[in-house]
Amino acid sequence: NAGVTQTPKFQVLKTGQSMTLQCAQDMNHNSMYWYRQDPGMGLRLIYYSASEGTTDKGEVPNGYNVSRLNKREFSLRLESAAPSQTSVYFCASRQQFSGNTIYFGEGSWLTVV
Amino acid sequence: GIQVEQSPPDLILQEGANSTLRCNFSDSVNNLQWFHQNPWGQLINLFYIPSGTKQNGGLSATTVATERYSLLYISSSQTTDSGVYFCAGSNSNSGYALNFGKGTSLLVTP
Repeated sequence: NAGVTQTPKFQVLKTGQSMTLQCAQDMNHNSMYWYRQDPGMGLRLIYYSASEGTTDKGEVPNGYNVSRLNKREFSLRLESAAPSQTSVYFCASRQQFSGNTIYFGEGSWLTVV
Repeated sequence: GIQVEQSPPDLILQEGANSTLRCNFSDSVNNLQWFHQNPWGQLINLFYIPSGTKQNGGLSATTVATERYSLLYISSSQTTDSGVYFCAGSNSNSGYALNFGKGTSLLVTP
């Protein structure tokens, strides 16, 4: 009964390093999302994938790339990490279209020094 | 995108007290959800409520879709209700991706 699984849970990067956050869901959902959460800012959408084979930019996509590897997996890549990308990252999934609840992973705490 | 305003930003309650949180949307939404983020950062679904009223234990929510707002009622609050409450909404214009408010931070004291 895993739901949405994110890895890693914690990561410290140096400025300029690259890394990939992995996300997998086992609920056969069509849509997947990456959000970031900063203090006092709520959750802001980085990228989303409405269905397998499609990806779209959200509110704050700069500095990130995504890959919808298959229906289960949606990864987020930081090509050249910057201190401004220090944040908590949440992956989420739900069935496509409006009538369904979204489910979140437990979050990935990323610090860029 | 959809702008979501939540009020109040911060709230302190004594255990057993009641309160109401509010969420206003800049556009019509056909998907509206309330979440609770516990002190460990976990986001928990409370309600999927694009319209009408629902109840879950000591919590209830009401959405007036025509006026673009939703209310979350906390009754007989407990210390375990502490955390941050978020509302979020989406419509076809946003690709059904949820837009979040900045949250209401609630502390319930013994």
